[in-house]
Amino acid sequence: AQSVTQLGSHVSVSEGALVLLRCNYSSSVPPYLFWYVQYPNQGLQLLLKYTSAATLVKGINGFEAEFKKSETSFHLTKPSAHMSDAAEYFCAVSASNQGGKLIFGQGTELSVKP
Amino acid sequence: EAGVVQSPRYKIIEKKQPVAFWCNPISGHNTLYWYLQNLGQGPELLIRYENEEAVDDSQLPKDRFSAERLKGVDSTLKIQPAELGDSAVYLCASSLLAGQGDTQYFGPGTRLTVL
Repeated sequence: AQSVTQLGSHVSVSEGALVLLRCNYSSSVPPYLFWYVQYPNQGLQLLLKYTSAATLVKGINGFEAEFKKSETSFHLTKPSAHMSDAAEYFCAVSASNQGGKLIFGQGTELSVKP
Repeated sequence: EAGVVQSPRYKIIEKKQPVAFWCNPISGHNTLYWYLQNLGQGPELLIRYENEEAVDDSQLPKDRFSAERLKGVDSTLKIQPAELGDSAVYLCASSLLAGQGDTQYFGPGTRLTVL
C-alpha cells in the first residue's frame, strides 16, 4: 500500500528566503508523485508531478521537486519565497492499479513573513 | 476552458437533514472523483467514476452516502441523514483518463457544516 508523510504541519519563512517542504512516500511499486497547492477557500491546484521521467521536476510559480528513490523523498523547494506563496501544500502519491487514486499527506501550511 | 464547477460552495444544515452536492467536470473528462477533506487534513477519496460507472466506492459510507453520475457527465453526492461528523469540505475532481499519472483537476469544493 502507498502512503505519504509530510514533515512539519506548519513552515514559516521570510520573504526572499528558501522554501523547503518535505515529503516522504512509501510505495511497493514505482510511484507517481504530485504536489498540489490549496489557497484559502479554493480547490487544489497542481504545482508539479513526477511520472518516472526526469528526477528533477520543475513546476509552476518557480517551484521544483526532486525525486530521490534511495531516500523515498520528493521534497518541494523554491529559491525565494513570495508573500503570494502562503498557502497549504499537499504531497500525494498515485496508487498503482487503482485508476489514479491519489493518496495525500496531511498537508503543510506555509507562512511567509514580510 | 472552464474548470470543475461545484455547487453550492457553502451549506449549513441541521443533523439528520439530507444534503446534496453537485459537480460538473471539465468537458471531455471521463473520470470523476469525489474527495472528503476534513479540517487540517489531506483529501481522501470517497468514490471514483469512469464515465457512468462507479469503479471504486470502497471508501464511501454506503449507509448514508450515495452518488450518481448519470450520462457520464455531471455528478451528485448525497448524504442522508447528515451527522455532526460529516462537517467537512467535499471536493470534486476530474481527469481526462484514469491512469496513474493523469492530472486531476479540482473544483473549489463545498464546505458543509452540520449543526
